[in-house]
Amino acid sequence: AQSVTQLDSQVPVFEEAPVELRCNYSSSVSVYLFWYVQYPNQGLQLLLKYLSGSTLVKGINGFEAEFNKSQTSFHLRKPSVHISDTAEYFCAVTKIQGAQKLVFGQGTRLTINP
Amino acid sequence: NAGVTQTPKFQVLKTGQSMTLQCAQDMNHEYMSWYRQDPGMGLRLIHYSVGAGITDQGEVPNGYNVSRSTTEDFPLRLLSAAPSQTSVYFCASSYSAGGTPYEQYFGPGTRLTVT
Repeated sequence: AQSVTQLDSQVPVFEEAPVELRCNYSSSVSVYLFWYVQYPNQGLQLLLKYLSGSTLVKGINGFEAEFNKSQTSFHLRKPSVHISDTAEYFCAVTKIQGAQKLVFGQGTRLTINP
Repeated sequence: NAGVTQTPKFQVLKTGQSMTLQCAQDMNHEYMSWYRQDPGMGLRLIHYSVGAGITDQGEVPNGYNVSRSTTEDFPLRLLSAAPSQTSVYFCASSYSAGGTPYEQYFGPGTRLTVT
């Protein structure tokens, strides 16, 4: 079975500061990795995904994530955040083989202060 | 395309009542799933379907039924509502070609309260 741990439940940062949201996963088989964003009172939207190839993945809204297989991590970063980035962020994994059953982390609430 | 639509947006039920949460997608996706979102627990998979006529259980299936008679629709039925089923429910769909998972598209959610 797979599991995902998001190491911070809340992250407050100032506008234009850099941010890193941490995600570790556990799996006995190879997985695909995803980051989703949920703006207040909305559904989830895909930020980026790692399927194969380069371990540095670029997504929408200036976000990027790095897949580290040896450390089983997939941390999300942005060099300069904006007020509009205030949202909840979810890391998720799914097995490469078989049905697309996403396993989510607990979520990290990112709050941007002016 | 409307994407993934869910109805209703909000619902209040009394303990023991039954209801169906509707989900539809117009993207001809093979895979559809139901998740529930609870504070501090992320999203957990309830049931999923890999195509019309095929469904299977996820992580938290108890108290819920599903069926998939068409590609477009994937309703979630609560048989006898309990307060523990108070949650936000999300439906998602995705397309997979050759076994590679594609992006899952989420609906706007249904906020359910059971009193």
